[in-house]
Amino acid sequence: GAVVSQHPSRVICKSGTSVKIECRSLDFQATTMFWYRQFPKQSLMLMATSNEGSKATYEQGVEKDKFLINHASLTLSTLTVTSAHPEDSSFYICSARELAGGRNEQFFGPGTRLTVL
Amino acid sequence: AQKITQTQPGMFVQEKEAVTLDCTYDTSDPSYGLFWYKQPSSGEMIFLIYQGSYDQQNATEGRYSLNFQKARKSANLVISASQLGDSAMYFCAMRARRDDKIIFGKGTRLHILP
Repeated sequence: GAVVSQHPSRVICKSGTSVKIECRSLDFQATTMFWYRQFPKQSLMLMATSNEGSKATYEQGVEKDKFLINHASLTLSTLTVTSAHPEDSSFYICSARELAGGRNEQFFGPGTRLTVL
Repeated sequence: AQKITQTQPGMFVQEKEAVTLDCTYDTSDPSYGLFWYKQPSSGEMIFLIYQGSYDQQNATEGRYSLNFQKARKSANLVISASQLGDSAMYFCAMRARRDDKIIFGKGTRLHILP
């Protein structure tokens, strides 16, 4: 299957700082990327849907001003956690959808573990 | 609204036995897809198997098979001949054609005993 990368894989930051997480589709173009958050021992919760060249669509209860999403190209989406607080500590996973040749498949990145001190 | 329900938070199974992980779903969309993912302790999401709502036959992928009962809205995962490496978290997920988002159930933690 296609490969999706995330960078960084782990990040530790101080409370109040901003953190940017990158999600890249390495060998295909992704018009849509999805961002999920997973707290320990819990399921993946969809945060937002990111479409290339347009504003992201956020799920109910997700603060768009806190979780800034930019999908500037067909292979890159970024999630910026602004003014991070300890409660933002979580595992963030992106996925990228490939729509080509009649396929509609979604591939997940390896995740980014964010720890806010 | 769409919903995925996994009622088994944890399961212990002896190595080499078959195991069934339960999943029920709810959607008003007639066209949807059902997925199973494995998440080991490393955190990566590993795709296991997919079933389309219009597929006539149950999906199979190696030791994995999906017991799809459309009228009951259930999509149980069956792992045959379990191995120690199967120990992980397993998530059932659904994507409705209407909005194309994949939503996940709460997961089942599977422990394979030697």
